[in-house]
Amino acid sequence: DAGVIQSPRHEVTEMGQEVTLRCKPISGHDYLFWYRQTMMRGLELLIYFNNNVPIDDSGMPEDRFSAKMPNASFSTLKIQPSEPRDSAVYFCASSPGTGFTDTQYFGPGTRLTVL
Amino acid sequence: ELKVEQNPLFLSMQEGKNYTIYCNYSTTSDRLYWYRQDPGKSLESLFVLLSNGAVKQEGRLMASLDTKARLSTLHITAAVHDLSATYFCAVDSYTGNQFYFGTGTSLTVIP
Repeated sequence: DAGVIQSPRHEVTEMGQEVTLRCKPISGHDYLFWYRQTMMRGLELLIYFNNNVPIDDSGMPEDRFSAKMPNASFSTLKIQPSEPRDSAVYFCASSPGTGFTDTQYFGPGTRLTVL
Repeated sequence: ELKVEQNPLFLSMQEGKNYTIYCNYSTTSDRLYWYRQDPGKSLESLFVLLSNGAVKQEGRLMASLDTKARLSTLHITAAVHDLSATYFCAVDSYTGNQFYFGTGTSLTVIP
């Protein structure tokens, strides 16, 4: 298995632009998680899905952030409009049937820089 | 909001020595997780601890959980250079809908 796949690996954009991050979870995994890592705030859970349904999005920082999972093999995290403070590494992770209590497998991350 | 604190934040140790990283959390939870992150890399799951008294070991690393004290430890035995990384603990909330990471402990093992 190729593991969790994220694209792009690096994204540089200007303030005000729309940014879309993509994630392909491990086949057969029922849970998908989006995290953000910054020096100031550390690692934060943004949102997670179970069987393509969003379960908790209380970690999404603002309405500018949205996430979708249209099918079991694809999820997107969108920021519109982007701001410099959104600069971070965004990780996607997936896990089998029991969510948090099962091992989470992380993707390589997308490093986002908003100028 | 649940708070998760690790100490030390930075740890430099010699090869062959033993040391312990501590993870304290602020609210009731039976579930604690340890992760490793190499510089510039992603996170790798090390241990999943799901009950009071749980102990898990993998190679030179051993993790334990005391839910009454709200404390988990990650013990390193006879450290080797390959263990140099940042180690994070994480806890999921009592409701199970949120996941909180600790501040991380940056470990450097010196030959």
